[in-house]
Amino acid sequence: GAGVSQSPSNKVTEKGKDVELRCDPISGHTALYWYRQSLGQGLEFLIYFQGNSAPDKSGLPSDRFSAERTGGSVSTLTIQRTQQEDSAVYLCASSPLGYAGTDTQYFGPGTRLTVL
Amino acid sequence: AQSVAQPEDQVNVAEGNPLTVKCTYSVSGNPYLFWYVQYPNRGLQFLLKYITGDNLVKGSYGFEAEFNKSQTSFHLKKPSALVSDSALYFCAVRDEGFQKLVFGTGTRLLVSP
Repeated sequence: GAGVSQSPSNKVTEKGKDVELRCDPISGHTALYWYRQSLGQGLEFLIYFQGNSAPDKSGLPSDRFSAERTGGSVSTLTIQRTQQEDSAVYLCASSPLGYAGTDTQYFGPGTRLTVL
Repeated sequence: AQSVAQPEDQVNVAEGNPLTVKCTYSVSGNPYLFWYVQYPNRGLQFLLKYITGDNLVKGSYGFEAEFNKSQTSFHLKKPSALVSDSALYFCAVRDEGFQKLVFGTGTRLLVSP
């Protein structure tokens, strides 16, 4: 079946511009996660959505970062006023249940963001 | 706080030889442990996980991992390495009651012909 998809695959932007990254989770998965992979910080958690519950935003690095999930499916990660340190690969994952620690997270191919 | 350590940045092994990629963890509750593999310009692919039960977990592509509670380790193993196994491997832990995965820094596996 279809896996997690993300778009765009690559995004180059200028410092100070806003960007939107999209994630389509696996159909039927109730939980959705965003992670960031960068050379300096490794793989780090950003935000987690579980059904209709309030998202866990504890990993967002600054208030320039926000995310929403519409209709319990597609999610958009928005970065406002991008900075060069935002350059990274942004990975989205989904899992069937989310609240069960035994759940497996399945990752998309990522969006490579480059801020010039 | 949860943490994972992958002590080796790179592991080199000859094709056909057994391989081991090391991982140790620290959690406050029961650990849920995962291994993922990442090929160049690709996302993370799930290999296997330990939740409970048998300490030896079998996963995709012939990989297995051994959970050792006393040593707080979850090393990834394969009896006979393939050149195509060359990739970046990540160990991750999920603490009981938490949803996010905490990843190690990754180990690059290089299998030579």
